[in-house]
Amino acid sequence: GAVVSQHPSWVICKSGTSVKIECRSLDFQATTMFWYRQFPKQSLMLMATSNEGSKATYEQGVEKDKFLINHASLTLSTLTVTSAHPEDSSFYICSARDLRQGAGEQYFGPGTRLTVT
Amino acid sequence: RKEVEQDPGPFNVPEGATVAFNCTYSNSASQSFFWYRQDCRKEPKLLMSVYSSGNEDGRFTAQLNRASQYISLLIRDSKLSDSATYLCVVKGGNFNKFYFGSGTKLNVKP
Repeated sequence: GAVVSQHPSWVICKSGTSVKIECRSLDFQATTMFWYRQFPKQSLMLMATSNEGSKATYEQGVEKDKFLINHASLTLSTLTVTSAHPEDSSFYICSARDLRQGAGEQYFGPGTRLTVT
Repeated sequence: RKEVEQDPGPFNVPEGATVAFNCTYSNSASQSFFWYRQDCRKEPKLLMSVYSSGNEDGRFTAQLNRASQYISLLIRDSKLSDSATYLCVVKGGNFNKFYFGSGTKLNVKP
């Protein structure tokens, strides 16, 4: 299947700092990538849809100025958590849709575990 | 009402048992359906797509009932390695998004 990578896999930062997470599709081009957040024992919650070359579409309740998304190429999307707070500590997962494959299943990156102290 | 609902479990079963999970979805216009598996602290991985005619992949069988708006996953001859959380995923709606259930946790015990 298609491979999606994320970097870093885990990060600890101090409250008030910003953290950038990268999501790459390694062997396919992804015009659309998705950013999810997952709190312990909860399901994935879609934060935003990232479209190459255009502005991201944010879900209701997600602050676009706090979670900056850039999708500069067909293989790279970045999520920057600005002025992070402890409540932003979570598991952030990106996914990319491989449109070469049928219904366009999503392939997930390995996730980034963010801890804000 | 949630887009996708699942019984969170956990389902505790012995090795070799057959176990079934159901998932209901609210949007009758949903187009595609999937089961994903998520291991603890890992990303979800696609287990199988669910087709209208039902489909089988080894010990796993998925079925779709559009009239009742539910999908099911049947696991036969459970293995210890099947222990995980199984996520029901539905694609559709106004913006063709993917909607995730909260997952059903399966524990297969020796």
